[in-house]
Amino acid sequence: AQTVTQSQPEMSVQEAETVTLSCTYDTSESDYYLFWYKQPPSRQMILVIRQEAYKQQNATENRFSVNFQKAAKSFSLKISDSQLGDAAMYFCAYKEQTSGSRLTFGEGTQLTVNP
Amino acid sequence: DAGVIQSPRHEVTEMGQEVTLRCKPISGHDYLFWYRQTMMRGLELLIYFNNNVPIDDSGMPEDRFSAKMPNASFSTLKIQPSEPRDSAVYFCASSLQGSETQYFGPGTRLLVL
Repeated sequence: AQTVTQSQPEMSVQEAETVTLSCTYDTSESDYYLFWYKQPPSRQMILVIRQEAYKQQNATENRFSVNFQKAAKSFSLKISDSQLGDAAMYFCAYKEQTSGSRLTFGEGTQLTVNP
Repeated sequence: DAGVIQSPRHEVTEMGQEVTLRCKPISGHDYLFWYRQTMMRGLELLIYFNNNVPIDDSGMPEDRFSAKMPNASFSTLKIQPSEPRDSAVYFCASSLQGSETQYFGPGTRLLVL
């Protein structure tokens, strides 16, 4: 079974600085999807970024980018120019290539942004 | 476009009562997922549907839980009878085949006393 591990329960960053959240996963598959979701205090699960395993290029979305290391099964999220609104719980998630398959989530990293 | 809609947003009930959670997926999406989030177990899939048909219900905890999708725009998750250990946030998500990205509703926070 696939597993996702986020080894940092909590992280903090100064406003305008850069922070990197770590995620590792275990799978025997060669094709799959990886996601980062953000969960603010409202509890809404908001998609931040996604990466297809077959793509070598790292995904970017504005201030958010990933460092995808397929051989190492690592998928970290970098947040640049951190803003107060970035404070939230961040979940890394894995999904098989098969349509409709479940998301397997990590334990989450609570990010605090200090003004 | 409206996202995934869930109701109610909050539900407080007493042990033994029936609870019904509702979900309207994004229009045109053909997959619908029900997840549960607890402190102890994190986020876990309960059941998912494809074109209104239940595909995988292996995550449904026990017979007290049931889910239906009578049409493409509506699904329910029912707990009968409810127990305090069912207290959690229940999320509905939907996706479009070929896209693989699941979009989540705002969740229903359930408290069973």
